Amino acid sequence: AQSVAQPEDQVNVAEGNPLTVKCTYSVSGNPYLFWYVQYPNRGLQFLLKYITGDNLVKGSYGFEAEFNKSQTSFHLKKPSALVSDSALYFCAVRDYIRSGGYQKVTFGTGTKLQVIP
Amino acid sequence: EAGVTQFPSHSVIEKGQTVTLRCDPISGHDNLYWYRRVMGKEIKFLLHFVKESKQDESGMPNNRFLAERTGGTYSTLKVQPAELEDSGVYFCASSQGLAGVETQYFGPGTRLLVL
Repeated sequence: AQSVAQPEDQVNVAEGNPLTVKCTYSVSGNPYLFWYVQYPNRGLQFLLKYITGDNLVKGSYGFEAEFNKSQTSFHLKKPSALVSDSALYFCAVRDYIRSGGYQKVTFGTGTKLQVIP
Repeated sequence: EAGVTQFPSHSVIEKGQTVTLRCDPISGHDNLYWYRRVMGKEIKFLLHFVKESKQDESGMPNNRFLAERTGGTYSTLKVQPAELEDSGVYFCASSQGLAGVETQYFGPGTRLLVL
């Protein structure tokens, strides 16, 4: 069975500093990984995804994530945080199993990012 | 292009009552998903439609939940009778193409509170 872990409920970072939101996963087959962001009173917005190829994925709003197969991680990063980046971030995984095809998407519990002015 | 819309945005009902949530996907999207997030926990998959057919309903909690997508356009999710543990935020998402690694676009969610 596939699973996703976001070990930090909240991450605080000063504006202008680099930020990292952690995500680790567990799958049986090949992982397809996603990051979504939820601003207050809004739905989830897609940030980026890893399918195959380059381990460093660039997404919206200057975010990027690095797929690390050996560490089964897909941490979200940004070189310089903005106050407007404050939101709830969700990591998600979709497993592909040769015998079963694509599995349903599994989300983590979310990490609240607080960027301090 | 209009995004995924959901109605109502909030619903407060008493235990035992019925509530129907509606989702309008992005026009042309064949895939429609329902998810639920209970307070502070992960977003959990409920079910997946491809057009009007239920592709996967393995996440539906029990038979008090009924989802429909007549005509392959909008979808409804009915909870009858509602229980306290049904409280949470219900998200709808849609996507186009073969379900796999496509990007899912989410609606703003319906916040359901069962008292």
